[in-house]
Amino acid sequence: GAVVSQHPSWVICKSGTSVKIECRSLDFQATTMFWYRQFPKQSLMLMATSNEGSKATYEQGVEKDKFLINHASLTLSTLTVTSAHPEDSSFYICSATGTLDQPQHFGDGTRLSIL
Amino acid sequence: GENVEQHPSTLSVQEGDSAVIKCTYSDSASNYFPWYKQELGKRPQLIIDIRSNVGEKKDQRIAVTLNKTAKHFSLHITETQPEDSAVYFCAARGNTGGFKTIFGAGTRLFVKA
Repeated sequence: GAVVSQHPSWVICKSGTSVKIECRSLDFQATTMFWYRQFPKQSLMLMATSNEGSKATYEQGVEKDKFLINHASLTLSTLTVTSAHPEDSSFYICSATGTLDQPQHFGDGTRLSIL
Repeated sequence: GENVEQHPSTLSVQEGDSAVIKCTYSDSASNYFPWYKQELGKRPQLIIDIRSNVGEKKDQRIAVTLNKTAKHFSLHITETQPEDSAVYFCAARGNTGGFKTIFGAGTRLFVKA
C-alpha cells in the first residue's frame, strides 16, 4: 500500500518552456503533499507544502510564481515550472501523506533537463 | 526553523562490519525521526523511523536510537552487505509549521565486498 506515482519521470525541453509534473496517491487520500528539489549529490530541499483545496505554502527563497503548485483533489498535486531555464534543471520529487502523523511516501521523481 | 545535521558525509566499511550514521536536530518540538535510503536516481525509501516517546527501535539489521535531551539520533546497520550501499538521509518532523520534514545532508555509504 501507500503508492505515490509521479509523471513524467524524465523531461528534456528548451529554455522558456513550461513543464508540468503530476504527483498522484494511488491507494490512499493524500491530504498533504510535499514537493522537493534535489541537485546531484545533495539532499532533498523542501520547496513547498500543499494541502488539498488550499494554496501551497512555499519555503523561503522559492518563487511561487515560478513554481506553481495545485492540489485540486485528495489524490493529485501538480507542480508547474513556468518558463524553465537551465538553472531549473534538477530532480524534482513529490511525497504524500494521508494523515500528518504518518510517514511520507515518495514518488519516483522527475528528472528535468532544460537545454 | 528546524535544522538537521548529519555525519559523516561519506562512510566506507568492509562487508560484515557495522555502520553508524549520526544526526542532530535543533527544534526540540520535533517528534518524528525517519531514516531514508536512496539509491542513485531513485526515490527515497523509508527504512526505519522513531518517535520521540521511544528511545530505541530495531528492525533486523537496522536500529535507530534517539536521545531527546541531546537532540541527536543515530542509525546503526549491522552485518553490512554490498546491497546496503546507498545514500542515507535522516530527517526530523514536528507538529507545527505544516508538519514539514527537514532532511539531513545525507551519508554516502560504501560497503566493500
